[in-house]
Amino acid sequence: DAGVTQSPTHLIKTRGQQVTLRCSPKSGHDTVSWYQQALGQGPQFIFQYYEEEERQRGNFPDRFSGHQFPNYSSELNVNALLLGDSALYLCASSIGVRPHGAFFGQGTRLTVV
Amino acid sequence: AQTVTQSQPEMSVQEAETVTLSCTYDTSESDYYLFWYKQPPSRQMILVIRQEAYKQQNATENRFSVNFQKAAKSFSLKISDSQLGDAAMYFCAYRSYGNSGGSNYKLTFGKGTLLTVNP
Repeated sequence: DAGVTQSPTHLIKTRGQQVTLRCSPKSGHDTVSWYQQALGQGPQFIFQYYEEEERQRGNFPDRFSGHQFPNYSSELNVNALLLGDSALYLCASSIGVRPHGAFFGQGTRLTVV
Repeated sequence: AQTVTQSQPEMSVQEAETVTLSCTYDTSESDYYLFWYKQPPSRQMILVIRQEAYKQQNATENRFSVNFQKAAKSFSLKISDSQLGDAAMYFCAYRSYGNSGGSNYKLTFGKGTLLTVNP
């Protein structure tokens, strides 16, 4: 059973560019959340998708947007990249209200130069 | 808004010994979940243990156990018989109980505690 898979694993972008990160949830999971983890910090919640809709959003600007597809996979888009967007981006999946905790992917390391 | 505080940036333990990692949180909710996640150098967050706030009994998972003190809003993790493979960053996390609409499932993390295991 494949867990949560994210692509790409590493990415280098130039300031001002746009980036798309992808996530496939664990089989049977319908909820996808995205987190940003700056170096030496805990993950910060960006937003959460359920039934193809953004259900909850953290304190991130509109440059951060996302999408969830009918097969529950998800994309995170970041426009007008800033140097401060450099971080590890983690995708987590879960089953709706189930309190089993989220399963995380290995993340995408984004470096903005 | 909920907050999670891990006051120990770094901890070390000798192999086979016991270590306790601290976590406190702030919330006005009565129903919620608490988690400990482990993040090794591979970067993947791995769920270590989970506690439901309505359960008075402390959760245990093999060598890992928690001391959940709801009134004090404290949730510490005890690792017994520490192994070299336990070395990692450990994060305490909070999640609201949520609702059937599929919202409010976000995890709020602390800043983490880096655990070193000495042979």
